[in-house]
Amino acid sequence: KAGVTQTPRYLIKTRGQQVTLSCSPISGHRSVSWYQQTPGQGLQFLFEYFSETQRNKGNFPGRFSGRQFSNSRSEMNVSTLELGDSALYLCASSLGSTGELFFGEGSRLTVL
Amino acid sequence: GENVEQHPSTLSVQEGDSAVIKCTYSDSASNYFPWYKQELGKRPQLIIDIRSNVGEKKDQRIAVTLNKTAKHFSLHITETQPEDSAVYFCAAYEITGGGNKLTFGTGTQLKVEL
Repeated sequence: KAGVTQTPRYLIKTRGQQVTLSCSPISGHRSVSWYQQTPGQGLQFLFEYFSETQRNKGNFPGRFSGRQFSNSRSEMNVSTLELGDSALYLCASSLGSTGELFFGEGSRLTVL
Repeated sequence: GENVEQHPSTLSVQEGDSAVIKCTYSDSASNYFPWYKQELGKRPQLIIDIRSNVGEKKDQRIAVTLNKTAKHFSLHITETQPEDSAVYFCAAYEITGGGNKLTFGTGTQLKVEL
């Protein structure tokens, strides 16, 4: 059974640009969550989608957005990039509301 | 919202010793507390979890305890081995009316020295 797949794995952008990250969950998982990981800050919750609906949202500015498609694949978008957006963005999928989260390898974003 | 505090931020032990990581949470309604291990350059992976209707759970060398009254839970690793070296994250599931919203602690870097 394939795990959670995130693309791209690495990317470099400059301030002001936008970026789109993609996540394919484990087959059969309908919940997809996104987290930002930075040194010293741990994993900060961005948002969670279930059946194409955003169910929860973290405390991030509106520049961070996401969506989920009918096949459960999800994308997140960050517009007007800032230096502080440099981080590892992790996607996780789950079967249910309080079940185990299965993480992808992450997309490492560097903003110059 | 939920707030999870984790201590210590770094922990160094000798191989064979025990390691204990402690977390506190703020929302008394939280009912699910997983622990994730993240090895260097790899994805976080669940190692053990506990639900609010039990006080302790054990899986080989790993155990987790939960004190709902005090709102804290701990990870215990016995007979530590070099492969236990990693960053460990505790988390609490926040009741939001549906969906996954795990709030994570800031992590503990565990180093097991030979």
